[in-house]
Amino acid sequence: AQKITQTQPGMFVQEKEAVTLDCTYDTSDQSYGLFWYKQPSSGEMIFLIYQGSYDEQNATEGRYSLNFQKARKSANLVISASQLGDSAMYFCAMREPNQAGTALIFGKGTTLSVSS
Amino acid sequence: EAGVAQSPRYKIIEKRQSVAFWCNPISGHATLYWYQQILGQGPKLLIQFQNNGVVDDSQLPKDRFSAERLKGVDSTLKIQPAKLEDSAVYLCASSLNLQLNSYEQYFGPGTRLTVT
Repeated sequence: AQKITQTQPGMFVQEKEAVTLDCTYDTSDQSYGLFWYKQPSSGEMIFLIYQGSYDEQNATEGRYSLNFQKARKSANLVISASQLGDSAMYFCAMREPNQAGTALIFGKGTTLSVSS
Repeated sequence: EAGVAQSPRYKIIEKRQSVAFWCNPISGHATLYWYQQILGQGPKLLIQFQNNGVVDDSQLPKDRFSAERLKGVDSTLKIQPAKLEDSAVYLCASSLNLQLNSYEQYFGPGTRLTVT
């Protein structure tokens, strides 16, 4: 079963508009971490935002915020005031404590295209 | 602070040949990860090291893939012999330690492998 599901293969938005990228996850653990990464065409993975399962408030980092709905097991990324430089692939990822290690499980990603 | 270094950035080989990738993590980072990212998918963990010991290699195809981190610093990932389906980007990442609530996992630029 998919641990991380990103249902939007591609999203299109105009500059200065807000956009929401969807992510749902599947876990039976109470303690876990949720992440969003950005991957531009150059290939590097850039950390954007982190949400712990026990965090009561939604995480925010500048123009990025994470809409965390624990009961629905969703962790959507909201980008406010989109910029041309936001065009990239975005990955949602999860880390669970019962894995042998602490590596991330990634979704398939959403391609975001920002136009002027 | 220098980031995660990887080399080479690009490699083209024929099937059944061997190839090796190198990664130098951020100084002081005890945990090192190798991920495989096939085109159109999210990264998938191949192997995770804590210092020079393997924490998780459950998804490493051990009949052809091997990795080492002998001195607990830089690491080498080898494929021998390569198959067409090994064409992917190989990402190295590092983090300070194994703590679940630590989100400082930094990625290198990746090595893009094409097997013909």
